[in-house]
Amino acid sequence: DTGVSQDPRHKITKRGQNVTFRCDPISEHNRLYWYRQTLGQGPEFLTYFQNEAQLEKSRLLSDRFSAERPKGSFSTLEIQRTEQGDSAMYLCASSLSGTDSNYGYTFGSGTRLTVV
Amino acid sequence: RKEVEQDPGPFNVPEGATVAFNCTYSNSASQSFFWYRQDCRKEPKLLMSVYSSGNEDGRFTAQLNRASQYISLLIRDSKLSDSATYLCVVFPDSWGKLQFGAGTQVVVTP
Repeated sequence: DTGVSQDPRHKITKRGQNVTFRCDPISEHNRLYWYRQTLGQGPEFLTYFQNEAQLEKSRLLSDRFSAERPKGSFSTLEIQRTEQGDSAMYLCASSLSGTDSNYGYTFGSGTRLTVV
Repeated sequence: RKEVEQDPGPFNVPEGATVAFNCTYSNSASQSFFWYRQDCRKEPKLLMSVYSSGNEDGRFTAQLNRASQYISLLIRDSKLSDSATYLCVVFPDSWGKLQFGAGTQVVVTP
């Protein structure tokens, strides 16, 4: 296990289409996070899971966004009816509860979404 | 007001020089603090944690001032490879999640 993996790395989609991203965390990490980052800004929290339970969702996560982590391992983030404002880098991160205050999170390489 | 604020820069630094910059945070109960480094179009990577007593990691020194609610990062003997955006990151509490500043861009020039 070499780290957090995200797929795809890049996605170009037409406005109104649905897209789905996948994240595979570090295997022993029980917490998984989704962040969104736009140019010139820091990553903004979207949602996180502890095991399979989705514990918190940001107000940034509109009804068009849904995230799952069905077996407490990989996670998917789906955006329905994409809008141009959804264009961003979507970052997944993972951590082990109890250690994140000391070691922070490990991020994947991100999925760069462009909505045209 | 943003929860974590940073000077966006850029800080243009001659190779070999020292550069320092701060970040302020709004939640006085915040537990942990980090500096992450982010290269252009790459993911953030942990540079160092910030401890209450201050800490060094090679050419990098981090300081925390809880009374004034800021943390700082100092880079000595800057290398061209230090050119990046440095993200100030705050962990607010046990059940929270990392909160990021918008980053400070550092450009080291030959």
